[in-house]
Amino acid sequence: ETGVTQSPTHLIKTRGQQVTLRCSSQSGHNTVSWYQQALGQGPQFIFQYYREEENGRGNFPPRFSGLQFPNYSSELNVNALELDDSALYLCASSMDRVYEQYFGPGTRLTVT
Amino acid sequence: GENVEQHPSTLSVQEGDSAVIKCTYSDSASNYFPWYKQELGKRPQLIIDIRSNVGEKKDLRIAVTLNKTAKHFSLHITETQPEDSAVYFCAARLPDGNQFYFGTGTSLTVIP
Repeated sequence: ETGVTQSPTHLIKTRGQQVTLRCSSQSGHNTVSWYQQALGQGPQFIFQYYREEENGRGNFPPRFSGLQFPNYSSELNVNALELDDSALYLCASSMDRVYEQYFGPGTRLTVT
Repeated sequence: GENVEQHPSTLSVQEGDSAVIKCTYSDSASNYFPWYKQELGKRPQLIIDIRSNVGEKKDLRIAVTLNKTAKHFSLHITETQPEDSAVYFCAARLPDGNQFYFGTGTSLTVIP
């Protein structure tokens, strides 16, 4: 086990609702990145948090937002959910943004 | 940004044969190239990586080669086993970047 955990495992929401996903980084890691993985696709970068600050963002709208806490755990918030938001959401942690990153098990979000 | 292409999208090999998956990248500044294995319903697992100052790296039955001039890198799996069956993703990262750019994945099936 890599030590990265995510909750919840699965989630079903209705279009227009809001959702919060959580990630606990591996011990000693201070960087968390979030990815969206649609079925049959590679992970797409949403954003990264390093020492509680956003450190880069992919091509996702502002309704995708996040936080990182002093213990380096992180949240991903998605407002005004759309059907296309249905995907596996993965977080990955690393040390000082450098090189190896390790993924959590993901949260499967279904928007109906 | 970076663009990573991965081929083939599906690959079937007989147990004991070798498998090769190839990726190309667009930005010559990319300096880190990890490979992930994702079994159905599980998290992507880092299996091997290579940095731009190295041309080849091996770990037991797995090897990765990097050709910086041609901007491509490949995953080689020798003596394949049924448990190697999974989706494999390549990725690339720029030196000052925070995001990993993933390929679209290769579904490998090892036939017993």
